[in-house]
Amino acid sequence: QKEVEQDPGPLSVPEGAIVSLNCTYSNSAFQYFMWYRQYSRKGPELLMYTYSSGNKEDGRFTAQVDKSSKYISLFIRDSQPSDSATYLCAMSAGGGGSNYKLTFGKGTLLTVNP
Amino acid sequence: GAVVSQHPSRVICKSGTSVKIECRSLDFQATTMFWYRQFPKQSLMLMATSNEGSKATYEQGVEKDKFLINHASLTLSTLTVTSAHPEDSSFYICSANLPGGPPDTQYFGPGTRLTVL
Repeated sequence: QKEVEQDPGPLSVPEGAIVSLNCTYSNSAFQYFMWYRQYSRKGPELLMYTYSSGNKEDGRFTAQVDKSSKYISLFIRDSQPSDSATYLCAMSAGGGGSNYKLTFGKGTLLTVNP
Repeated sequence: GAVVSQHPSRVICKSGTSVKIECRSLDFQATTMFWYRQFPKQSLMLMATSNEGSKATYEQGVEKDKFLINHASLTLSTLTVTSAHPEDSSFYICSANLPGGPPDTQYFGPGTRLTVL
């Protein structure tokens, strides 16, 4: 079992739809969770950052972490064509040593159709 | 804030030549930078962690003599692909930790696409 599992999609939705992206993980030591957006041939851009379990909202984006289920989600409301990109989840255990390293999911390719 | 740049954005070279890629933190000082490689439709694979003033830490399976990393200042890390071969063609991305920012958060550069003929 991989440390982080993410459905690669592709996922295609109409403009205005609510998008749900998610990742599961196996390492119970992970406590910092991030979502990155990567446009084609560009570097990843940090979208959301969450520590431990809970919800975080930023505009049209909501990140949820359920550590008991080892499951994280990113919701995009009122999706726009400009949201079309690959979304990568990333997580780390934090602290010293090698725990600062990020473990990434494979990424989900999202297309929002006008 | 937290802007990371890379140069060049794209490079094409002949097999056997060496290529240097620069990674700069533009508006902050980065004691730690990271180098990743990304193949098409794949996720990011960490190659090495670069610490200012000390030797880089390479991930298992990454040849340190082939991928030379130098982190000479708090705003610049370089990756040199020595004696490049076609199988080294990939998208190379660097990132940096923002001091005082959320723990373990990395800010990425725009990437460098390397094509070895």
